[in-house]
Amino acid sequence: GESVGLHLPTLSVQEGDNSIINCAYSNSASDYFIWYKQESGKGPQFIIDIRSNMDKRQGQRVTVLLNKTVKHLSLQIAATQPGDSAVYFCAENMVGAGSYQLTFGKGTKLSVIP
Amino acid sequence: NAGVMQNPRHLVRRRGQEARLRCSPMKGHSHVYWYRQLPEEGLKFMVYLQKENIIDESGMPKERFSAEFPKEGPSILRIQQVVRGDSAAYFCASSNTGGLDTEAFFGQGTRLTVV
Repeated sequence: GESVGLHLPTLSVQEGDNSIINCAYSNSASDYFIWYKQESGKGPQFIIDIRSNMDKRQGQRVTVLLNKTVKHLSLQIAATQPGDSAVYFCAENMVGAGSYQLTFGKGTKLSVIP
Repeated sequence: NAGVMQNPRHLVRRRGQEARLRCSPMKGHSHVYWYRQLPEEGLKFMVYLQKENIIDESGMPKERFSAEFPKEGPSILRIQQVVRGDSAAYFCASSNTGGLDTEAFFGQGTRLTVV
């Protein structure tokens, strides 16, 4: 079964508001997590990553939170803009897989309402 | 500074034909990964290659699918005798190392349609 999944398949947010996209994972041994943004017809674009020895990491307008106790990952986007409309995937690198093998969740579609 | 280049962007094949998907990694990258994405789904790992070597093909179907990354030229994902179920977007990613927190850069993908 899927090791990584998302709670909400779609999310609509008013422009200027903050967005929160959630992700659950089941492999407690996973060591590294990444959020990707995928616009229609394009490949995934790296947004931000976090290692399991951290619980928070901030980038430009984005913050990733990791709660290892409940195996939950979230992506927060501040002051959401129309250009943020896309599908967002969380992915984990399976520890012990022996190679760089990312496991992706199904994705959350973020729609920004102008 | 070109990113990961995949071609063709769109490929239509009849059932039973062969599909060849090409991926040129970013300059200086020697690690290539192929993923498949079905509509409304996340990406599924298929294979990880370094120059002239297959490192991990655990996600690739045992039959009809093969991948290579020769010393010179792009990486090729080859699908023989395609079936309708092979219709998907195929993404290639590359990185300069293969470590745990390596950042891999994805190409635009090849959208394969089998008719």
